[in-house]
Amino acid sequence: DAGITQSPRHKVTETGTPVTLRCHQTENHRYMYWYRQDPGHGLRLIHYSYGVKDTDKGEVSDGYSVSRSKTEDFLLTLESATSSQTSVYFCAISEQGTSGRALTDTQYFGPGTRLTVL
Amino acid sequence: GENVEQHPSTLSVQEGDSAVIKCTYSDSASNYFPWYKQELGKRPQLIIDIRSNVGEKKDQRIAVTLNKTAKHFSLHITETQPEDSAVYFCAAGDTGRRALTFGSGTRLQVQP
Repeated sequence: DAGITQSPRHKVTETGTPVTLRCHQTENHRYMYWYRQDPGHGLRLIHYSYGVKDTDKGEVSDGYSVSRSKTEDFLLTLESATSSQTSVYFCAISEQGTSGRALTDTQYFGPGTRLTVL
Repeated sequence: GENVEQHPSTLSVQEGDSAVIKCTYSDSASNYFPWYKQELGKRPQLIIDIRSNVGEKKDQRIAVTLNKTAKHFSLHITETQPEDSAVYFCAAGDTGRRALTFGSGTRLQVQP
């Protein structure tokens, strides 16, 4: 499964508390992503990273921050968790495509973290 | 930004029949179209992908077609089996965005 782990795998927390989720890869891939998955919405991009200390926002970034101080680790932080952030969070990594002119990376997902905010 | 629409949201077929899932996208710059299968409680797994320089790609019982003019792509599963039951997601991406936009998913149920 592409050498991706996420921790914790399950977490229950209370509204207003800070929460940090960790994604760790052993593939030395440059790109890492955080998605959330909610019923009826598929997977929505929160933030992504294209290198150490290089990050950018996705479509649902409000209320989340990220950090990447090492190639292998990408952290997602909820500064003050809200019930609307109850979700399953997936990390993904990508490798460089090699086919023809289209070089968009192929993404592989971690096992996910189920977060419940009460 | 990119918008990906996926239909149908649920699909039930008899074992051995074919299943087709369709997606449309809005951004003409998109040039990479993967399909993921997600079983209950598991991570999405890439099953097949297609890039803009080809119109069709096959891998055993699954195939994907792409029509760039119409901005739509489809997943075809032939000779369906109960283990094909899962949620399937399409996505679209491009080198500039470096990220994927996903459809909302199709729950496929294969009846034995």
